[in-house]
Amino acid sequence: GAGVSQSPSNKVTEKGKDVELRCDPISGHTALYWYRQSLGQGLEFLIYFQGNSAPDKSGLPSDRFSAERTGGSVSTLTIQRTQQEDSAVYLCASSLVRTGNEQFFGPGTRLTVL
Amino acid sequence: AQSVSQHNHHVILSEAASLELGCNYSYGGTVNLFWYVQYPGQHLQLLLKYFSGDPLVKGIKGFEAEFIKSKFSFNLRKPSVQWSDTAEYFCAVNSSGFGAGTRLTVKP
Repeated sequence: GAGVSQSPSNKVTEKGKDVELRCDPISGHTALYWYRQSLGQGLEFLIYFQGNSAPDKSGLPSDRFSAERTGGSVSTLTIQRTQQEDSAVYLCASSLVRTGNEQFFGPGTRLTVL
Repeated sequence: AQSVSQHNHHVILSEAASLELGCNYSYGGTVNLFWYVQYPGQHLQLLLKYFSGDPLVKGIKGFEAEFIKSKFSFNLRKPSVQWSDTAEYFCAVNSSGFGAGTRLTVKP
């Protein structure tokens, strides 16, 4: 596609429920990143994929968060047993290769946990 | 580990004022430096980047940034801001080290 797409654009869920967020990167981009942007906060790095593997999971805030990428393309970020503090905008970005390349960002998924 | 510090949380300027947003990083290796911008309601997008060569880099919309290795800095500048520059600006080092962002409000 022309750019990075994410779905859903908005997600409202109840505390304790699981959610799945989807990212479609730009075709051919091997690197894929997930970030979290909370109100008034900067970009919090969550996880990075190179192809289907995730060499850097250092940013995942707890074991309730997991992510996978299949076929070197689509990625899903799963949050289990959501908490109110998980409310944020989740951004996905992709780049041709990791080191030094510009990242192209998607529009984000706004997650609200009630 | 690398970290990125943006000194200003919120900057308010009048149109035609000059802008400088600070960015400092801590990382001992080779750095690739970026400034991204997020206009209201839009995606984050690249403003400019430095990989090597001339430490003064020019980006879109009249923005420029200077890499000063000895100061571990990559400050963003624009000689005369416009109302349309109102946005949030993020400095980034390498691939995943982002600063907290600086919100710029330009008053018409």
